Parts: sequence; C-alpha cells; structure tokens
Amino acid sequence: GDSVTQTEGPVTVSESESLIINCTYSATSIAYPNLFWYVRYPGEGLQLLLKVITAGQKGSSRGFEATYNKETTSFHLQKASVQESDSAVYYCALTDTNAYKVIFGKGTHLHVLP
Amino acid sequence: GALVYQYPRRTICKSGTSMRMECQAVGFQATSVAWYRQSPQKTFELIALSTVNSAIKYEQNFTQEKFPISHPNLSFSSMTVLNAYLEDRGLYLCGAAGTISNERLFFGHGTKLSVL
Repeated sequence: GDSVTQTEGPVTVSESESLIINCTYSATSIAYPNLFWYVRYPGEGLQLLLKVITAGQKGSSRGFEATYNKETTSFHLQKASVQESDSAVYYCALTDTNAYKVIFGKGTHLHVLP
Repeated sequence: GALVYQYPRRTICKSGTSMRMECQAVGFQATSVAWYRQSPQKTFELIALSTVNSAIKYEQNFTQEKFPISHPNLSFSSMTVLNAYLEDRGLYLCGAAGTISNERLFFGHGTKLSVL
C-alpha cells in the first residue's frame, strides 16, 4: 500500500537557522499522487501548509517550500530562516485516487529555540 | 472562511464504556466527512469515509459495530467509540470536504481519548 516516511523528531533548531524535514513517499496505486504538508500548532487543529499535485512543481507557504520530486519520490520541507512561532508538528502526506483518504507520515515535532 | 469544529477536545472514559465525538462544518457544506485516528506512537489512520447519500465506507480493521458514524446533514457528523478499551486511546480527527473545498479536507482540532 501507499506510505509516507519522514524525519523522526523531535527536531530542535535555533531561530533564524535553516530547516529541512525530509519526506519520501511510496504510491502503489497511482503514478502521481498529490503531496501535502500539514501542520499542527500547539493547541490548534491540523492545517494545510502546502500542496503540490504536479511532479516537478514547488509549493510554498509562510516561508516554507517543498518540491515534488518524482525521480527520488521525495517532498522535503525547507525553510531558510525559522522563527519561534514555527514550533509545531509537521506531517507529510499524500492522496492517490481517493482525495479523502490521506496517507500521513508519523509527524515531525519541530522546536525552535529563541 | 471554512472551518471545522470538533468536540470535545479531550475526554476520559472508563474501560468498556462508550463515548461520542462530534464534528461541525461552518462556512461550507460538508458532503464528505472522514474520521481518522492517531494511536500513540503512530500516524493518522483512516477509520471511515462518510458521503451524503452514499453508504459509509469503513477501512480494514474498523467496523460500524465498533465506530458507528452519523452524517445526518451537510454540516454535522458524529462518531461513537463503543466499548472503549486501552487500544482505542488516541487522537480522533474529523476532516470535512464539499462545496468550496476543492476535494481538500478541512480538519477539526481532534478529540483526545483516554481510557482508564
């Protein structure tokens, strides 16, 4: 079946440092799954951070970027300079033929130190 | 904007008892509602998908007898965990999609279930 593997946390970085959270996927039922990054801030619900549905394209939001790489089946999340307010749990995810069946990674807890 | 309210946020129940959680869509019509569970140390698993005017589809390892779902209208859904035991603890999340969502799920805050 489909699966998503991402950096195991917790990940701790200092404010203004760069960040990369790795994500690789395996999709057996569809050649080009839709790829997502979701974020859960403390005390809040799960929110969509960014979404890319076309291989080779890059998505960006709130300073975060992720590029859909079909060759390496990866969708790494990057940010050049993190802020303390970025502290949250980040989930890489995909959907295949069923748009409502989201396959999530285990989540990566990010701590940004002031 | 489109929002999904889920309640309660946290609940504790005794082993063998049941608990119900609810999900309300605001700002759009929720034609589809998906219920997920995140067990400790695991990722989110889909329990079932409910689409208005269609049968509720349960994933493998989840049954209607254990997790009955109601989706009576385009703004509300509920799910009950019947006879909860330790293995049922975790974070339950509802996601709703429909008009304006462009096939994207909007998620609630989740209901954290603890079982004593």
